[in-house]
Amino acid sequence: GDSVTQMEGPVTLSEEAFLTINCTYTATGYPSLFWYVQYPGEGLQLLLKATKADDKGSNKGFEATYRKETTSFHLEKGSVQVSDSAVYFCALSDQPAGTALIFGKGTTLSVSS
Amino acid sequence: EAEVAQSPRYKITEKSQAVAFWCDPISGHATLYWYRQILGQGPELLVQFQDESVVDDSQLPKDRFSAERLKGVDSTLKIQPAELGDSAMYLCASSFSDVNTEAFFGQGTRLTVV
Repeated sequence: GDSVTQMEGPVTLSEEAFLTINCTYTATGYPSLFWYVQYPGEGLQLLLKATKADDKGSNKGFEATYRKETTSFHLEKGSVQVSDSAVYFCALSDQPAGTALIFGKGTTLSVSS
Repeated sequence: EAEVAQSPRYKITEKSQAVAFWCDPISGHATLYWYRQILGQGPELLVQFQDESVVDDSQLPKDRFSAERLKGVDSTLKIQPAELGDSAMYLCASSFSDVNTEAFFGQGTRLTVV
């Protein structure tokens, strides 16, 4: 079945450091890919998405590129802030349209000043 | 800004008791999802509705869990009887049923079974 694998955390960085969180997927169809962020005690918020190969999703300085050849969707940010501290989830939604999201286990990011 | 409403935010119940969670999706969203998130894990789908119909409940433990969305709007998830292993965050999400649109999540209900 479909699955998402994320790098295990926690990831601990200093403010202004470069961030990469790796995500790879397995899917039978041609999925859409997502990154969600979860702040403590809260629900999930969509951070960015990509729906086809070579698409780049971006939001709030975060970017991820849909790489079909490597089945990857790595999350990057050039300069992290303390406020970026949260849990980040990679997810996919396979065909047909409207299929429920399948999530990775999440990666905790902690940024210190 | 429209959002998915869930209640209660927190619930403590004794094992073998019944517990229910409520979700009101964003207006106009035909698709509604219930997810369970165990601490330190990603959310896992319990049940998916399209309007009032169940689309996928393959991961719902039907001996103790039930879900309904009678009028195709708000939804209730029930557990009876609750077990210690049911302690988790229960998340509701909704989306348009269009191609690859995002799911919007509520703040969740944190259930603790003692």
